[in-house]
Amino acid sequence: KAGVTQTPRYLIKTRGQQVTLSCSPISGHRSVSWYQQTPGQGLQFLFEYFSETQRNKGNFPGRFSGRQFSNSRSEMNVSTLELGDSALYLCASSDQGANGELFFGEGSRLTVL
Amino acid sequence: GDSVTQMEGPVTLSEEAFLTINCTYTATGYPSLFWYVQYPGEGLQLLLKATKADDKGSNKGFEATYRKETTSFHLEKGSVQVSDSAVYFCALRGYGQNFVFGPGTRLSVLP
Repeated sequence: KAGVTQTPRYLIKTRGQQVTLSCSPISGHRSVSWYQQTPGQGLQFLFEYFSETQRNKGNFPGRFSGRQFSNSRSEMNVSTLELGDSALYLCASSDQGANGELFFGEGSRLTVL
Repeated sequence: GDSVTQMEGPVTLSEEAFLTINCTYTATGYPSLFWYVQYPGEGLQLLLKATKADDKGSNKGFEATYRKETTSFHLEKGSVQVSDSAVYFCALRGYGQNFVFGPGTRLSVLP
């Protein structure tokens, strides 16, 4: 069974630009969560989608948004990039919705110059 | 809200030494508890989990026991290897809630 796939793995943007990251969950998983990982703040929860609906949202500004498609694939978008958005963005999927473990992708490393 | 506290390290050990990484939590109800490991350049992988009090999770020689009375879930391994060098995250999840992760503990094992 293929794991969680995230694209792109690495990208460089400049301040003010926007970026879209993609995540394909494990086949059959309907829950997709996104996390931001930085050395200073650790792992911070962005949002979770389940069956195309945002179920939970972390404490991030509205520049961070996401969506989930009918095939459970998910995208997250960051608009008006700031230097502080440089981070590893991790996607995780789960097959048990409310109480299951998370399966993580390898992440998308975003550098904002 | 729910929270997880763990020793931040870095922890440096010699090969074959005994490992303990402490983890304590604050949560309402009875969450499930997890240890995840992140190797360099990779995402997080589930190492072990426990879903109720007194459960012991184990995998690859690592163990952790869900202690409700002390709200702890300490990770242990009797003999570490160089290949265990990674960052270890303790986490909890209440039913229907988001995962809450600790800050991570970096472990370096020297040959």
